[in-house]
Amino acid sequence: LAKTTQPISMDSYEGQEVNITCSHNNIATNDYITWYQQFPSQGPRFIIQGYKTKVTNEVASLFIPADRKSSTLSLPRVSLSDTAVYYCLVGDGVNQGGKLIFGQGTELSVKP
Amino acid sequence: DVKVTQSSRYLVKRTGEKVFLECVQDMDHENMFWYRQDPGLGLRLIYFSYDVKMKEKGDIPEGYSVSREKKERFSLILESASTNQTSMYLCASSLWRGNSPLHFGNGTRLTVT
Repeated sequence: LAKTTQPISMDSYEGQEVNITCSHNNIATNDYITWYQQFPSQGPRFIIQGYKTKVTNEVASLFIPADRKSSTLSLPRVSLSDTAVYYCLVGDGVNQGGKLIFGQGTELSVKP
Repeated sequence: DVKVTQSSRYLVKRTGEKVFLECVQDMDHENMFWYRQDPGLGLRLIYFSYDVKMKEKGDIPEGYSVSREKKERFSLILESASTNQTSMYLCASSLWRGNSPLHFGNGTRLTVT
């Protein structure tokens, strides 16, 4: 299973763009990269998923270089409500028998 | 929208009690998962199930068992609760296909005294 490494915490200010990078050096060919957001006292919530290059949705963008050994979640113009823990998950549920492992996550604090 | 419902938001039990945590999903998902979350340790996988009556151990199955008699329901059982099982328990579900995202419930905060 691919192990992920993320910064433990990050600080930002309202209106700034925030980039959170996740390292996954032993990512396998079939693995997807998925990011989740978790607010206190709630379960994690799916944000975005990609396999290669760039993916964008209404919430975030995900940048994946050609070697796929890392990925960067980009949150445009953050607000106070983006304060949360962000998890990077790498895996392919089918080939790993459904086993999906979370890393420690990045605690993002957005200040006014 | 997928809904994963955990039966209790907060639960207080005594050491040695048998504890049942229930989880129901309404989207016909094949996979269901139980995680526990502790400060500084992140989310750790206890058990998962990819079909009715099927179960697989995660990283920390000791002291826990699971039951999946129906596709929509996945139960986590603490046979004899101990204080070190005080934690936030999170249930999730997903489709079988490899890149299917997890959908989580809001968690059950269990305190064992």
